[in-house]
Amino acid sequence: DQQVKQNSPSLSVQEGRISILNCDYTNSMFDYFLWYKKYPAEGPTFLISISSIKDKNEDGRFTVFLNKSAKHLSLHIVPSQPGDSAVYFCAASNRANAGKSTFGDGTTLTVKP
Amino acid sequence: DVKVTQSSRYLVKRTGEKVFLECVQDMDHENMFWYRQDPGLGLRLIYFSYDVKMKEKGDIPEGYSVSREKKERFSLILESASTNQTSMYLCASSSLGRVWGETQYFGPGTRLLVL
Repeated sequence: DQQVKQNSPSLSVQEGRISILNCDYTNSMFDYFLWYKKYPAEGPTFLISISSIKDKNEDGRFTVFLNKSAKHLSLHIVPSQPGDSAVYFCAASNRANAGKSTFGDGTTLTVKP
Repeated sequence: DVKVTQSSRYLVKRTGEKVFLECVQDMDHENMFWYRQDPGLGLRLIYFSYDVKMKEKGDIPEGYSVSREKKERFSLILESASTNQTSMYLCASSSLGRVWGETQYFGPGTRLLVL
């Protein structure tokens, strides 16, 4: 049973427009959510996170929204830039679980100039 | 800056060989993790360790073992490599000190090809 799902394997947007990446989870015990970005031939790097007591967290061009009732989170990138082209992983964790995170399958974002 | 290093970027091994993948972190993190990344399957946790000599199985531990003799070093061992272990292997570390969740810091990955 996959507890974290990213249903869109890929997304293509024009430079300057908004990119919206989605993530759904099934485990109501998750209380912290993270987005990682991965370029080819590199390890993932942390991008932004949100705890379950919030519904929005913003960092520059990146905003994460959390809808606990729907068990859904999304990452908004505005405006999108070609350098944002990468694989984005959604991850969820539970404080009681020794810091483990459960990752989604990833969404490949392509931003066209 | 946290630095996580992995011993090799690319590795080619033959079926049946014993393979060691080494990971070192320099931030005194308690937690260390080994994942494999395959197309369409995302990041799958193989093993993790939350302290020296402590280890726990992740989602796909079959065919792998680990060793953590020192806090900064976490090794992944393929006792007898098989072709279905051809993959990208990623090591990560995180601290235990935060109240809300743990950001993981990843190494650059080792791309293993088993022939």
